[in-house]
Amino acid sequence: GAVVSQHPSRVICKSGTSVKIECRSLDFQATTMFWYRQFPKKSLMLMATSNEGSKATYEQGVEKDKFLINHASLTLSTLTVTSAHPEDSSFYICSASGGVAGRDGTEAFFGQGTRLTVV
Amino acid sequence: RKEVEQDPGPFNVPEGATVAFNCTYSNSASQSFFWYRQDCRKEPKLLMSVYSSGNEDGRFTAQLNRASQYISLLIRDSKLSDSATYLCVVNANDYKLSFGAGTTVTVRA
Repeated sequence: GAVVSQHPSRVICKSGTSVKIECRSLDFQATTMFWYRQFPKKSLMLMATSNEGSKATYEQGVEKDKFLINHASLTLSTLTVTSAHPEDSSFYICSASGGVAGRDGTEAFFGQGTRLTVV
Repeated sequence: RKEVEQDPGPFNVPEGATVAFNCTYSNSASQSFFWYRQDCRKEPKLLMSVYSSGNEDGRFTAQLNRASQYISLLIRDSKLSDSATYLCVVNANDYKLSFGAGTTVTVRA
């Protein structure tokens, strides 16, 4: 199956710093990428949807100035957590789809996730 | 009301048992349905898509009931390796996928 690579898998940073997470589709062109956040024993919460070459669409309650998303190419999307705070500590996971995930049954492939700890 | 709701479990079953659980969705216009499996601290992985007529993949059977707006997953002859959290995923709003909170299944020897 398709492979999505997410990096880093784990990061610890100090409060106030910024952290960049990369999501790459390795063997297909990802026209749509999704960024999720997951708290322990909770469901994945969609943060934003990005389409290559256009601005990301953020879900209600997600600060776009804090969670910067860039989808500059068909194989790479990045999420930057700016001015991180301890409450930003979470599991962040991306998924990528070659088509429109869900609409035509196109499977969304997930990255391995990034565990962010802000101290 | 949440878009997708699941019984969190946990379902503790012995090896060889059959376990089944449901997921309900709120948007009657939903078109696509999936079951994903997520192991602890890992990314979700597609287990199977759910088709209107129901479908089976080995020991796993998925069914869709549009009238009552739920999908189900049944696991026969449970294996220890089936222990995981099973996520119900629904195309609830155009291209966006909505995830249930997951149902935890623990298979014991």
